[in-house]
Amino acid sequence: SAVISQKPSRDICQRGTSLTIQCQVDSQVTMMFWYRQQPGQSLTLIATANQGSEATYESGFVIDKFPISRPNLTFSTLTVSNMSPEDSSIYLCSVEEVGYEQYFGPGTRLTVT
Amino acid sequence: EDQVTQSPEALRLQEGESSSLNCSYTVSGLRGLFWYRQDPGKGPEFLFTLYSAGEEKEKERLKATLTKKESFLHITAPKPEDSATYLCALNTGFQKLVFGTGTRLLVSP
Repeated sequence: SAVISQKPSRDICQRGTSLTIQCQVDSQVTMMFWYRQQPGQSLTLIATANQGSEATYESGFVIDKFPISRPNLTFSTLTVSNMSPEDSSIYLCSVEEVGYEQYFGPGTRLTVT
Repeated sequence: EDQVTQSPEALRLQEGESSSLNCSYTVSGLRGLFWYRQDPGKGPEFLFTLYSAGEEKEKERLKATLTKKESFLHITAPKPEDSATYLCALNTGFQKLVFGTGTRLLVSP
């Protein structure tokens, strides 16, 4: 399976600022996904990112708040904009491989104060 | 609406005490049911994929089974290192995974 890394692993940010999270994969993949895991909760899909096209956002998530870039087949970024304490979560990227299996990165733990 | 429900929310076992975790689901078109293990502060680790009723997969002390309405993750003679949150997820098409809320397993020595 693909090896996925994320940067930063954790960050503490002030309200009103933005943070960009990077996701790097060691092989070329078509589909990349961004999830949010709020404290004590399960994973919720934010958006799907295909290289060369606009990201597709799930209900409740908008591009102005969570802009995503996908410049090539091994890299993606998620920006959390104008942060509030409610954005404190773990943000995870994943990739899809054969058989619809998704493999996840280690996550970025974000705390907004 | 596609839904996934996991039970119990938390489970405490003694080392060697076998048990099962449940994942019940309703879905219009199942393209795979997935089990993940998640340790605190880490991303989910892929365990199994099941595609059709009657299918079974095994890995060490874990065995996953699937019916038309639910999946079970059987843990045989667990060890403390099996302590983690176990997540069930459905692929309902459109490359989207719908996750359950997980079962927190604690295995005591």
